[in-house]
Amino acid sequence: ETGVTQSPTHLIKTRGQQVTLRCSSQSGHNTVSWYQQALGQGPQFIFQYYREEENGRGNFPPRFSGLQFPNYSSELNVNALELDDSALYLCASSSGGDETQYFGPGTRLLVL
Amino acid sequence: QKEVEQDPGPLSVPEGAIVSLNCTYSNSAFQYFMWYRQYSRKGPELLMYTYSSGNKEDGRFTAQVDKSSKYISLFIRDSQPSDSATYLCALRRGGSNYKLTFGKGTLLTVNP
Repeated sequence: ETGVTQSPTHLIKTRGQQVTLRCSSQSGHNTVSWYQQALGQGPQFIFQYYREEENGRGNFPPRFSGLQFPNYSSELNVNALELDDSALYLCASSSGGDETQYFGPGTRLLVL
Repeated sequence: QKEVEQDPGPLSVPEGAIVSLNCTYSNSAFQYFMWYRQYSRKGPELLMYTYSSGNKEDGRFTAQVDKSSKYISLFIRDSQPSDSATYLCALRRGGSNYKLTFGKGTLLTVNP
């Protein structure tokens, strides 16, 4: 198992609500990436944080936002939830300069 | 055309069979090639990571990259029921952008 942890494991929200997902990166890793995985699909890149700064963003609207903290843990915030936001949200940590990304177990979000 | 194409299967094989999983890609900027294994309701687990064209072997697993054809493969020898999972190819461009671009994943079942 990787040292990447995510909370909560499951979450149910209603359309229009806001949600915050959390990720603790593996020890020694300063980069966190977030991915959305819809059912039956591969993960899609949302954004990446390197040393508390956003370092690349995928094709997701601004209502998807994030933070990285000095201890390199991270949050993903989604505002104005839509039904299509229902998915498994994965975070992956890596060490700057090392291409290997290690994934956490994910948070399963259901929007009703 | 999607950047990365992967046959979603499903693929069902008897125990002990040799399994071949494949992805094709369209962008020659991809320089790093990975295979992840994802069990149901879990996060992806890194299996193999390669940089250059050629073969890389790790136990029962062999990753093959052909950059000229933009084709990558994962071979599993002596497949076991515990290999039953979804296999995802993931590609990354060079430089400081660590974004991974995933295939859709192939669902593999190894029958005892």
